[in-house]
Amino acid sequence: DAGVTQSPTHLIKTRGQQVTLRCSPISGHKSVSWYQQVLGQGPQFIFQYYEKEERGRGNFPDRFSARQFPNYSSELNVNALLLGDSALYLCASSPGDRANYGYTFGSGTRLTVV
Amino acid sequence: AQSVTQLGSHVSVSEGALVLLRCNYSSSVPPYLFWYVQYPNQGLQLLLKYTSAATLVKGINGFEAEFKKSETSFHLTKPSAHMSDAAEYFCAVSEDAGGTSYGKLTFGQGTILTVHP
Repeated sequence: DAGVTQSPTHLIKTRGQQVTLRCSPISGHKSVSWYQQVLGQGPQFIFQYYEKEERGRGNFPDRFSARQFPNYSSELNVNALLLGDSALYLCASSPGDRANYGYTFGSGTRLTVV
Repeated sequence: AQSVTQLGSHVSVSEGALVLLRCNYSSSVPPYLFWYVQYPNQGLQLLLKYTSAATLVKGINGFEAEFKKSETSFHLTKPSAHMSDAAEYFCAVSEDAGGTSYGKLTFGQGTILTVHP
């Protein structure tokens, strides 16, 4: 079985631009969560979606948005990029919407804002 | 609010020695607790999780962790370190209390484990 796949793996953008990151969960998993990992820190929760509905939102500005599609894949959008948005963006999938199911993480998208 | 503190940003051990990575948590409700490992330029791999069953949890690659409610700790151990264990380890907590924290994992700052031959 394929794991959690994220695309692209690496991305370089200029300040002020917009970016879309994509995630395909493990087959059968209905929950997708997004995390931001700045170099040298632990991942920070951005969003969780379950059955195409937003179930949780972290402390991130409105420049960050996400959605989940009928096939349970997900996109994370970031508008008006800042240098501080440079990070590894991780997607995690889970069979259900509760933490006790456990989460499987993808390898991430490395975003560099210049 | 939930939080995690990992004591020691760097831990160095010799191959074959005991590995002990410390994690203390804060939670207003009974927590779910997790340990993840991250190799360079990769995502996170789940080592083990505590979800209110047995307090001693066994995971992959010979790792285990013990949930101690009285100490609010969930330390990760491995009896004998291997060179391949060198990586960054993250402890995470979820209160799973619904609302805006639904399913949210809160991670510690990470501990880099170095294994010397």
